[in-house]
Parts: sequence; structure tokens; C-alpha cells
Amino acid sequence: KQEVTQIPAALSVPEGENLVLNCSFTDSAIYNLQWFRQDPGKGLTSLLLIQSSQREQTSGRLNASLDKSSGRSTLYIAASQPGDSATYLCAVKVSNFGNEKLTFGTGTRLTIIP
Amino acid sequence: EAQVTQNPRYLITVTGKKLTVTCSQNMNHEYMSWYRQDPGLGLRQIYYSMNVEVTDKGDVPEGYKVSRKEKRNFPLILESPSPNQTSLYFCASSFNRGSYGYTFGSGTRLTVV
Repeated sequence: KQEVTQIPAALSVPEGENLVLNCSFTDSAIYNLQWFRQDPGKGLTSLLLIQSSQREQTSGRLNASLDKSSGRSTLYIAASQPGDSATYLCAVKVSNFGNEKLTFGTGTRLTIIP
Repeated sequence: EAQVTQNPRYLITVTGKKLTVTCSQNMNHEYMSWYRQDPGLGLRQIYYSMNVEVTDKGDVPEGYKVSRKEKRNFPLILESPSPNQTSLYFCASSFNRGSYGYTFGSGTRLTVV
């Protein structure tokens, strides 16, 4: 059974710093990995989608890497801003008898201190 | 705009009163799914549908029903809600091919008293 872990559960950093969020998964047989952002009580916004054959994806100040063989992904945020404060979730897409479901980590709650 | 639309956004109801949460997508996605999010437990899949008239249970299906009569709609039905179904619910959709990502709705905050 696929398990996804995100460490740390919470992180506070001063504005302007670069930071890395970590995600690990137990089964490397994934289609892709998606990073989401969730603001308190709100929906999930997709940030980056990285395919199992890819090593990294970039969007603006965000960069996601994937090492499928070791079951690890990182989300790098450059020059952090207070607006980056949110919970960040990673999810892996696997196929279980045709059910291409996402398995989520429990998230990292990020606070950027002005 | 490509999106998944859920309604209502907030709902407070009483134990046992049947309710339906609607979900609609405009991206012609074959695959649709419902998740619930609870503190400390993360997001867990309730039901999914691989196409019209094809639905199946996810990890936590007890107390829920779904239907998929049209490709764009995937309502979640609680026939007799109980307080342990108080949660934040998300509908999601995707193309039914491995490489595609998911699009999520904005969520429905359900409270059962």
C-alpha cells in the first residue's frame, strides 16, 4: 500500500529565504507526482505536475524534483514571500486495478514571517 | 475557464436528513473522484468513477453513494448523514490516462449536528 510522508509538518522561515519541502513515498510504481497548495479552509491549487520519467519541473519561483527510485520529491521555493504561507501537499498518482487515484501526504504548513 | 464546480460551499445539516453535494466539470474528463479531508488523516478517497455509469468504492465509502449518469456530473449522496461525516469534501477530475494531473473543486465544508 502506497504511503506518502511529508516532513516537517510545519515550517516557519523569514521572508526572502529559500526553502525546501520534502515528500517521500513507499512505492516507486507511480504515474506522476503533483504538488498542491491549500489555503486555510480552501480548495487545492495545483502547483506542479512532474511525470515519473521526469527529474524536475519549474514554474516561476517553484521547482519540484523527483527521484522515483528513492521515493523522494522536493519542492524548492525561492525568495519566499508572505503570500507563500499555506499548506503544501504532495500526492502521487498510482493505478490500482484501473483506479488512478491520488495518495496524499498530510502536508507541510508553511509560514513566511515578514 | 476549465474548472470543477462544487455546490454548496458550506452546509450545516441534522443527523439523518438526506443531502446531495453536486460536482460538475467542463473539461470532458473521464475520471472523477470524491475525497474527504480530516485533520491528521489527510485526504482520503471516498468513491471514484472511470466513466459514465462506471463507479466504484475508494478507501472510505461507508455512508456515501454516488452516481455518474452524465460525463460532466458526479454527485455525492449522503442518505442518512451522521456527525462522523462532518468534514471538508473535494471533488476532482482527470483524463483517464496516467500522465494527466488532477483538477480539484473548491471544496464543501459539511457539518452534521
